[in-house]
Amino acid sequence: GDSVTQMEGPVTLSEEAFLTINCTYTATGYPSLFWYVQYPGEGLQLLLKATKADDKGSNKGFEATYRKETTSFHLEKGSVQVSDSAVYFCALSDLRTGANSKLTFGKGITLSVRP
Amino acid sequence: GAGVSQSPSNKVTEKGKDVELRCDPISGHTALYWYRQSLGQGLEFLIYFQGNSAPDKSGLPSDRFSAERTGGSVSTLTIQRTQQEDSAVYLCASSLGWHGYTFGSGTRLTVV
Repeated sequence: GDSVTQMEGPVTLSEEAFLTINCTYTATGYPSLFWYVQYPGEGLQLLLKATKADDKGSNKGFEATYRKETTSFHLEKGSVQVSDSAVYFCALSDLRTGANSKLTFGKGITLSVRP
Repeated sequence: GAGVSQSPSNKVTEKGKDVELRCDPISGHTALYWYRQSLGQGLEFLIYFQGNSAPDKSGLPSDRFSAERTGGSVSTLTIQRTQQEDSAVYLCASSLGWHGYTFGSGTRLTVV
């Protein structure tokens, strides 16, 4: 079945450091890929998405490119801020099961940014 | 409503009791999903509704778990004879096609 693998955490960075969070996936169809973020004490929010190969999703300075050849969707940000401290989840949704199909999540990774 | 609403936000129950968790999706969203978030386990899919029917209930962990949706709107997740391993945050999400999934803030269930 479909699966998402995220790099092990937690990750601690200093403010203004470069961030990369790795995500790879396994899917037999044509998945859409997502990054969700969960800030402390809040619910899950969509950060960015990409629906086909070579698409780049971007939001709030974060970017991720859908790489079909490496089955990856790594999240990057050039300069992190303390306010980026949160849990980040990579996820996929397989279009084969219809437009309203379930999300399959990775285990999430906790990012802490220190001033 | 403006967002997905879940109630209660927190629930503490004794082992062996039944609990009901409620989800109010965004008005007009045809799809509704339940997930469970456990420490160290990430997000686990439980069940998906399209309208009032549940084409995918493959994630329900045991027959103690059930869910229904009425009027294509409100959904209730019921856990019977709760066990300590049921302690988790239960998340609901709704969607309409490719406009994305919107999650509620969750119900934190603690079984003591």
